[in-house]
Amino acid sequence: GQQLNQSPQSMFIQEGEDVSMNCTSSSIFNTWLWYKQDPGEGPVLLIALYKAGELTSNGRLTAQFGITRKDSFLNISASIPSDVGIYFCAGQSYGQNFVFGPGTRLSVLP
Amino acid sequence: DAGVIQSPRHEVTEMGQEVTLRCKPISGHNSLFWYRQTMMRGLELLIYFNNNVPIDDSGMPEDRFSAKMPNASFSTLKIQPSEPRDSAVYFCASSPSRGYNEQFFGPGTRLTVL
Repeated sequence: GQQLNQSPQSMFIQEGEDVSMNCTSSSIFNTWLWYKQDPGEGPVLLIALYKAGELTSNGRLTAQFGITRKDSFLNISASIPSDVGIYFCAGQSYGQNFVFGPGTRLSVLP
Repeated sequence: DAGVIQSPRHEVTEMGQEVTLRCKPISGHNSLFWYRQTMMRGLELLIYFNNNVPIDDSGMPEDRFSAKMPNASFSTLKIQPSEPRDSAVYFCASSPSRGYNEQFFGPGTRLTVL
């Protein structure tokens, strides 16, 4: 079945630094979603991408739909302590359910 | 706006007992999804409904699991009998259309089976 890989698995950064993470697949997707999950809560949708090459921002977050349609990227600028959490990507092909990646765990050091 | 509502938030039960998890999707959403999250396997789709009809239940682990959606505003996931390996966080999510759209998650039910 379809699988997604997320990189890195975890990262520790200093407050104020920029963050980059990515999601890759062996399959082509038509939709990419990025979620953030805080401890004890459900995933919260951050950004949705629908077209190859699309670049979309949500505050300090920017996500891109890869040209090959097999990857997506999420960047966080000027990280703050509340950015701590697990970031999940999810990809969908037409007629298929969303597939979720294993997540990137972000820790922000003061 | 009310998001997806799940109850209970936490459930501790003994092996062999019946467990029922409840979900109220966002009003107006046509699709509802049940997921299970564990450290080992991440987020797994168990079943999804469109317009109250089960569309894909291939992710349901075994016959001990069943899900119903009697109307557009309510769904249940039942485990009978429960086993320790069922311990996980169970999420309900809803989507405006037939799965081809963003999914909005509830806060989850953390199930512990002793």
